[in-house]
Amino acid sequence: GESVGLHLPTLSVQEGDNSIINCAYSNSASDYFIWYKQESGKGPQFIIDIRSNMDKRQGQRVTVLLNKTVKHLSLQIAATQPGDSAVYFCAENNSGGGADGLTFGKGTHLIIQP
Amino acid sequence: GAGVSQSPRYKVTKRGQDVALRCDPISGHVSLYWYRQALGQGPEFLTYFNYEAQQDKSGLPNDRFSAERPEGSISTLTIQRTEQRDSAMYRCASSLRTGFNEKLFFGSGTQLSVL
Repeated sequence: GESVGLHLPTLSVQEGDNSIINCAYSNSASDYFIWYKQESGKGPQFIIDIRSNMDKRQGQRVTVLLNKTVKHLSLQIAATQPGDSAVYFCAENNSGGGADGLTFGKGTHLIIQP
Repeated sequence: GAGVSQSPRYKVTKRGQDVALRCDPISGHVSLYWYRQALGQGPEFLTYFNYEAQQDKSGLPNDRFSAERPEGSISTLTIQRTEQRDSAMYRCASSLRTGFNEKLFFGSGTQLSVL
């Protein structure tokens, strides 16, 4: 039978192209958002974060965009390289109390084609 | 150490046995978090500590799960009377400071298999 949770959304891109990975979050009270990269057999690794008072933040080859109106977050990776192959998770948190742990999304598997 | 260290890397146990998973955070990191990650899913929050104080355990699935960090450094996650549904990757993370927007550094995890 089908096993829910093994069917990660997959994004396949050519090496050198730009990648855009999307994430929808559910909690309108969330005011801090993070993208993590997880390579096979390793723990999640921080890539970039953004607070809710911003709509764009740039890092090295990566850009995060936040649209609070539609509760959407995206990660753009410029000039994708083979080392970018991984599962990418968005995560959200809020400063307003409740559980203080991050809430992670389901993840997107980025595959780089040579 | 250079990163968050977890042991054992793999743990296979029989249903009904107790297990203890260890996390050694990055030296000097104040906050320590426990997450559980099922295959193909994002990490799921379990509990966390600031120094030795457990701040939030709302993510622990039931009272068979407990965690401690008695000296504000190494932490142990204990699962009593393990069940097959407890099988998962258990990940620890630490952050330098307290606060909801602190960068988390994750360990490589302990893969628990309950037979």
